[in-house]
Amino acid sequence: NAGVTQTPKFQVLKTGQSMTLQCAQDMNHNSMYWYRQDPGMGLRLIYYSASEGTTDKGEVPDGYNVSRLKKQNFLLGLESAAPSQTSVYFCASTSSWGSNQPQHFGDGTRLSIL
Amino acid sequence: KQEVTQIPAALSVPEGENLVLNCSFTDSAIYNLQWFRQDPGKGLTSLLLIQSSQREQTSGRLNASLDKSSGRSTLYIAASQPGDSATYLCAVKTGANNLFFGTGTRLTVIP
Repeated sequence: NAGVTQTPKFQVLKTGQSMTLQCAQDMNHNSMYWYRQDPGMGLRLIYYSASEGTTDKGEVPDGYNVSRLKKQNFLLGLESAAPSQTSVYFCASTSSWGSNQPQHFGDGTRLSIL
Repeated sequence: KQEVTQIPAALSVPEGENLVLNCSFTDSAIYNLQWFRQDPGKGLTSLLLIQSSQREQTSGRLNASLDKSSGRSTLYIAASQPGDSATYLCAVKTGANNLFFGTGTRLTVIP
């Protein structure tokens, strides 16, 4: 019963480096999301994918890119990491876009940019 | 823009006590409201989801209410246990594409 799996769990990068955070779900969900969680702030949406092959910007997309080539995978890329991107990143999925079903979350990736 | 506020930021109660967590939101045009639990170093677990047409939802010792017109929701936890210690987040869904989260209430239940 994996649900939503995020890799890696922890990562330390230097400013300017790039990396990809991976998210996989095994619930056959159509919609997937990337959030970041910062101290003193609520989770904020970075990007979302309503269905396989489609992506859209959320509230804080600058400095990130995403890819949804397969239904079960949603990748979040940092093009040139900056200290302001130090955060905990959560991936979530739900059965379909606009549904009243709850979102299911992974355990997060803790990312530090030095 | 929707803003979600949770007060208090932290709460400590003795085991066995009943308690209420509060959530308020600024825009009453919501699709649903969710309560989540977050344990340290973990992701969010959905506890209850109240659709905009509903007034409350119950699951075990948890009861969530929604008053859309006043922009408020409460999460009632009966007979609290140390295992209930966690951060509780509320989130409102507006439109089809976004959840707006509060910053959470960190609950400690003292044995």
